[in-house]
Amino acid sequence: GENVEQHPSTLSVQEGDSAVIKCTYSDSASNYFPWYKQELGKRPQLIIDIRSNVGEKKDQRIAVTLNKTAKHFSLHITETQPEDSAVYFCAAKEAGTALIFGKGTTLSVSS
Amino acid sequence: DTEVTQTPKHLVMGMTNKKSLKCEQHMGHRAMYWYKQKAKKPPELMFVYSYEKLSINESVPSRFSPECPNSSLLNLHLHALQPEDSALYLCASSPDGTMNTEAFFGQGTRLTVV
Repeated sequence: GENVEQHPSTLSVQEGDSAVIKCTYSDSASNYFPWYKQELGKRPQLIIDIRSNVGEKKDQRIAVTLNKTAKHFSLHITETQPEDSAVYFCAAKEAGTALIFGKGTTLSVSS
Repeated sequence: DTEVTQTPKHLVMGMTNKKSLKCEQHMGHRAMYWYKQKAKKPPELMFVYSYEKLSINESVPSRFSPECPNSSLLNLHLHALQPEDSALYLCASSPDGTMNTEAFFGQGTRLTVV
């Protein structure tokens, strides 16, 4: 089955800095890679996703890159704000299966 | 309606009790999922229903019994649970399990087994 590794487990940045979180996956058949943000006591919320036929996707301050050959994908947050503080999960999915999550990254943005 | 609704929000049950968790969506989604999430851990897949049929069971103990009465509802029946089963139980849905589209999560049921 799919295995998703995520690094780092914790990340502290100053407001306005950039944050990068990296994930690798094991199953070459996986073709959907979402990123979820989970605030304390709340549900995971999708912030951006990418499919295997695309190398990069951007939505305002958030971008995701995918390297299918190396089987890794990354989340980039620019101009971080205190409200970006949360746990971020990457995930991978093959058609017909379900999302398998990485272990999560706790992002702390200090002002 | 873009919500996945889970009830109850909180549940405390004894090890000899039988209880059920409920999940409902009215987005016409045909894939529904149960995940278990322990504190400071990622959601861990338990079950997948696709077109109301159980398609994936991630070797979950039989004290957890899923049920999909119709395309909008997903239940998780609990019986003889252990304290280590205490966790946040998340339900999710997606339009079609065979396609790669966003999964929408409910708010979860926080279960405590005493």
